[in-house]
Amino acid sequence: IAGITQAPTSQILAAGRRMTLRCTQDMRHNAMYWYRQDLGLGLRLIHYSNTAGTTGKGEVPDGYSVSRANTDDFPLTLASAVPSQTSVYFCASSEFGLGTYEQYFGPGTRLTVT
Amino acid sequence: AQSVTQLDSQVPVFEEAPVELRCNYSSSVSVYLFWYVQYPNQGLQLLLKYLSGSTLVKGINGFEAEFNKSQTSFHLRKPSVHISDTAEYFCAVSDLNAGNMLTFGGGTRLMVKP
Repeated sequence: IAGITQAPTSQILAAGRRMTLRCTQDMRHNAMYWYRQDLGLGLRLIHYSNTAGTTGKGEVPDGYSVSRANTDDFPLTLASAVPSQTSVYFCASSEFGLGTYEQYFGPGTRLTVT
Repeated sequence: AQSVTQLDSQVPVFEEAPVELRCNYSSSVSVYLFWYVQYPNQGLQLLLKYLSGSTLVKGINGFEAEFNKSQTSFHLRKPSVHISDTAEYFCAVSDLNAGNMLTFGGGTRLMVKP
């Protein structure tokens, strides 16, 4: 059982470049999330999707976009990367609406913007 | 809006000693509460959760937490820690109006020393 896979594992990116972080889940969960993790700040929600075809903004959405064309994939795009987007990015999924509330996390992508 | 405060950024403790990691939250409505653990270079894994019922919740790896509504706290405890418990621990809250959305605390790094 793979759960959630993220790619790449790590990336060094020049400022101004475009980058898409990939996230795929095989649990058929309807809800998916993107978080960034920064030291001392915990995880902060960037964008979410409660079901395929819909997306919403989280706490820190500026500079990021997402799409949810199908149930399994939830890519996160940085249109023009800036150094403040250096972070570890986690994708998560959950079964929204069934009352379990647990989110399952991927292994993360470590992104460095220079 | 809800918020989560983890009062200790680092907790050093000797092996086989007891430990308590503190978590306080603020919310204007009823909440669900979670503790997640992150081992080095990995994603987050659910330790335990409080949705309703008994205020003492038992989780994996011998951890437990107690929900105290009057003190708006959800402290995590373990009576005897092992070296393998060395990790980052995150408290998170979701209120009944937020669906599956989680708000995380800043994290507490538990360092177990031999």
